[in-house]
Amino acid sequence: EAQVTQNPRYLITVTGKKLTVTCSQNMNHEYMSWYRQDPGLGLRQIYYSMNVEVTDKGDVPEGYKVSRKEKRNFPLILESPSPNQTSLYFCASRLNNEQFFGPGTRLTVL
Amino acid sequence: TQLLEQSPQFLSIQEGENLTVYCNSSSVFSSLQWYRQEPGEGPVLLVTVVTGGEVKKLKRLTFQFGDARKDSSLHITAAQPGDTGLYLCAGSPPLYNFNKFYFGSGTKLNVKP
Repeated sequence: EAQVTQNPRYLITVTGKKLTVTCSQNMNHEYMSWYRQDPGLGLRQIYYSMNVEVTDKGDVPEGYKVSRKEKRNFPLILESPSPNQTSLYFCASRLNNEQFFGPGTRLTVL
Repeated sequence: TQLLEQSPQFLSIQEGENLTVYCNSSSVFSSLQWYRQEPGEGPVLLVTVVTGGEVKKLKRLTFQFGDARKDSSLHITAAQPGDTGLYLCAGSPPLYNFNKFYFGSGTKLNVKP
């Protein structure tokens, strides 16, 4: 089944403790992206990657890092999480105009 | 400030009623997309409109792209409880060639039986 998977689905952590949210797609898409969703703000793009080793900032990249060492994986790294990064995170891959989203990761930073 | 403004934010209607959701911007977009998101899931693409003035129909849903490619609307005829969800518009300005995307804040629709 063609899909985007994210892990973990839920995470509660404390300020300053480094964490990684993994994202994997099995559709061989070149483009992948990370978004955060907050009430009243819709989805905001954090980072995107057009291909292996090619990444660029979205609208809200501060406090996040990404890497794209292989086509299928696009992990999101929070080196020192803060409470304002508490949010619902979505990974997506894209073919032509259509984005395919993962199920989301709900992150709480205490 | 959102690049894409959606209205209304919330809509609660009875089954069988019609409704329209609007997505407006002061910027031109290469295309605009509409997604539907259900609780606990990621957004799912409904339609992409590309040409100014374009109208697309998906069963009881009608999507329109403004002539100037700055706005779009979603009209639902005879809404059903299964239409309940969060509707999001999204677009990529021409400068970014479908790499950078902006989403509206969403319209939360509740259709009561």
